[in-house]
Amino acid sequence: RKEVEQDPGPFNVPEGATVAFNCTYSNSASQSFFWYRQDCRKEPKLLMSVYSSGNEDGRFTAQLNRASQYISLLIRDSKLSDSATYLCVVPLLRGSARQLTFGSGTQLTVLP
Amino acid sequence: DTAVSQTPKYLVTQMGNDKSIKCEQNLGHDTMYWYKQDSKKFLKIMFSYNNKELIINETVPNRFSPKSPDKAHLNLHINSLELGDSAVYFCASSQTTSPETQYFGPGTRLLVL
Repeated sequence: RKEVEQDPGPFNVPEGATVAFNCTYSNSASQSFFWYRQDCRKEPKLLMSVYSSGNEDGRFTAQLNRASQYISLLIRDSKLSDSATYLCVVPLLRGSARQLTFGSGTQLTVLP
Repeated sequence: DTAVSQTPKYLVTQMGNDKSIKCEQNLGHDTMYWYKQDSKKFLKIMFSYNNKELIINETVPNRFSPKSPDKAHLNLHINSLELGDSAVYFCASSQTTSPETQYFGPGTRLLVL
């Protein structure tokens, strides 16, 4: 099983739709999780963090299911500007250092 | 007011050449990273430096050598470039106390011909 696995998509949704992405992780000891957003030909940027059961920020909700080892990102009322690749990120301990392990990303296109 | 900057943004070169990519951050962070993003969009860490000391060194060919002259700079030198080195290389930085919140540079698109 990969350390972090995501459905690559692409997800093509109309403006105003609600869309959800899932991400599964293999290390049951992981405590914190993150969603980064990467626009086409740009750098990744932190979108949200998830430390307990979930986190909500405006139209974005991130949820954590520890029993099933998955994290989800829900986007309500999609905007054209939400079109991007969404990267699921799990910090893993390598020796004494914590390093970010990125999923391959889920591509979202919001259509007018 | 650039936070993390990289030069050059684009690099096209022949196989066998040696090239360097520079990275600078003005956020006052003490940890810096190099990532490689291949054509399949996988973002993989290559190196991490904390206060100029190497703390993460993933399985990367010896042709890749990072250098950190000070906390604000982390450069990447690549010897004997190969076709498979073609990728986007991202520099990033973070505070030691918050390694999960990383700020990325704009990336350097390397194409080896």
